[in-house]
Formats: sequence, structure tokens, C-alpha cells
Amino acid sequence: QKEVEQNSGPLSVPEGAIASLNCTYSDRGSQSFFWYRQYSGKSPELIMFIYSNGDKEDGRFTAQLNKASQYVSLLIRDSQPSDSATYLCAVNIPNSSYKLIFGSGTRLLVRP
Amino acid sequence: SQTIHQWPATLVQPVGSPLSLECTVEGTSNPNLYWYRQAAGRGLQLLFYSVGIGQISSEVPQNLSASRPQDRQFILSSKKLLLSDSGFYLCAWTFRRRDAGELFFGEGSRLTVL
Repeated sequence: QKEVEQNSGPLSVPEGAIASLNCTYSDRGSQSFFWYRQYSGKSPELIMFIYSNGDKEDGRFTAQLNKASQYVSLLIRDSQPSDSATYLCAVNIPNSSYKLIFGSGTRLLVRP
Repeated sequence: SQTIHQWPATLVQPVGSPLSLECTVEGTSNPNLYWYRQAAGRGLQLLFYSVGIGQISSEVPQNLSASRPQDRQFILSSKKLLLSDSGFYLCAWTFRRRDAGELFFGEGSRLTVL
């Protein structure tokens, strides 16, 4: 059973702090990794993707990938109350161009 | 620019009634199209995907079906709803040659089956 695991949270951080969101996956053959943000009652939106080991930065967001440990993380620097949302990790299914497995998401709360 | 529209936004249906959710994409051609379902507090579950008109792949055996009568139109249907069909249904698209993970989602349809 292919799985993507996330802590459901909520993860509570003060405004201005770094929020660290983590995700582990079970299939070593996965090559593509995605972070989606979902506000309550809304649809998900893609915020980051990463394909290679290491870090990838985009503004206040940094995605980190460690394939040996099967671990993906998302760091949000200078967290803002508007970052409060559920963050979904998604991983591709090897040998499939069309399929992703989503984690159940981590709820982030940024306290003013 | 590309847009995706999905309707209806919310609906409450009795058990055993039919269902039809519709999704259209504008501003692109030959998109890959997807139907996902999200149960409360759960991750997204892929229900169907389509790489072209009339080409539907089903991921989960259930009482739902999908159709793609036109290039940018994707429809999710059921003849008889079950209580377990309640959830948040999301249509999504990707560029044909892009990774399946770069999904663009519609606004979603919240279905409650009573």
C-alpha cells in the first residue's frame, strides 16, 4: 500500500516564526513531490514542487527533499496569519504519468 | 489565461437519487482532466482521470462514473447515490505534457447525501 504520511496538527506558530511541515512517503520509486495549500472550505492550490534532493526556495517557502530518508518538508519563513491553512503533501506514483497520492494534510495556525 | 469552472458548488441529495457534477476548462486545449474526492479530514482520493475525449480511467470501484463528451468538459455522475458518496468533489486539470502533480483545481462541489 503506497502511503504519504503527515501529522494532522494543528501546528501552531507565532507570527514571524518559521513553520516546518513534514511528510514521509513509502514508495522509494517516487520522483516528484508537491505541496498544496488548502484554505478551509476551498480547493487546494499548488505552492511548491521539488524533484531533486536538497532545497528549493521560492520567496518565503522552501521545499526540502531527502530521497534516502523518504522525507519531504516545507518551511515557511516569516509566517503570517494568512498562511493559516491545511498543507497537503502529494507524491507521484512511479511509472504513472497521471497519478498522485495525497497525504491527509497538516493544519497550520499562525497566531498574530 | 486558463480557468476551470465547476458546478454546482453545493448540493444536498437523498440516498438513491442521481448525481451530475460538471466541470469545464477554458484557455487551453487537450488538458488532462481529473475528478478527486475529499472526505472530511482526509486526503484527496483520485476517482477518475482522462487524457482525451471519451477516454476515462477509473481508480476506485464504486457507483460513480465519469464522461468526457468534449475536450474541455468533464462530468461526474451517479445513478443512485449512497450515504458514503458525501464529500467534497474536486475537478482538476493539467497541461497535457506536464507532470500530473501540477494540478489546477476547480472551486469544488460539496455533496451531502441524506
